[in-house]
Amino acid sequence: AQSVTQLGSHVSVSEGALVLLRCNYSSSVPPYLFWYVQYPNQGLQLLLKYTTGATLVKGINGFEAEFKKSETSFHLTKPSAHMSDAAEYFCAVSEVGAGNNRKLIWGLGTSLAVNP
Amino acid sequence: EAGVAQSPRYKIIEKRQSVAFWCNPISGHATLYWYQQILGQGPKLLIQFQNNGVVDDSQLPKDRFSAERLKGVDSTLKIQPAKLEDSAVYLCASSSFTSHSPLHFGNGTRLTVT
Repeated sequence: AQSVTQLGSHVSVSEGALVLLRCNYSSSVPPYLFWYVQYPNQGLQLLLKYTTGATLVKGINGFEAEFKKSETSFHLTKPSAHMSDAAEYFCAVSEVGAGNNRKLIWGLGTSLAVNP
Repeated sequence: EAGVAQSPRYKIIEKRQSVAFWCNPISGHATLYWYQQILGQGPKLLIQFQNNGVVDDSQLPKDRFSAERLKGVDSTLKIQPAKLEDSAVYLCASSSFTSHSPLHFGNGTRLTVT
């Protein structure tokens, strides 16, 4: 079965600093990979996804992630943090389950704090 | 396009009582999901519907939880009777039927069981 590991349950950065949220996955087949963001008292929102093609994926709000097959990683980055980026971030991998149905396997999440 | 609608936003009940949550997915989305998110954790899939059929309910506590999706559109999730450990946010999501379609989430229902 596939699994997702997010290193660091809490990350704190200064406003304007680089944001790096780490995600590693295990998969025996080419994965579909996703990053979602959850603001307080809201549902999850898709930031970006990798399916096939270019390994550097750009998402909303200036975020991007790079799929590195050799490292089984899909780290999320943003060059300059903004106060509004403070939220919970979830990495997920899509796995094929019973009946050829694809379902998402979720990481435990990383809480990002942005300090003024 | 209108997003996924959920109601109520908040619910407080006593243990052993029953509760129901409602979800209206994005129009045309064939797949509907119910997730349970306990504070500080990632979402846990409870049940997945494809149109009005159940695709995956392997993690649904069937002795107390039930869900239905009438006519392949709206869905309700019911808990009867509730336990203290059911306190969580219940998220509904929908997606179109492709293997890498993103999920669109509602804002969730925060359930507190006292």
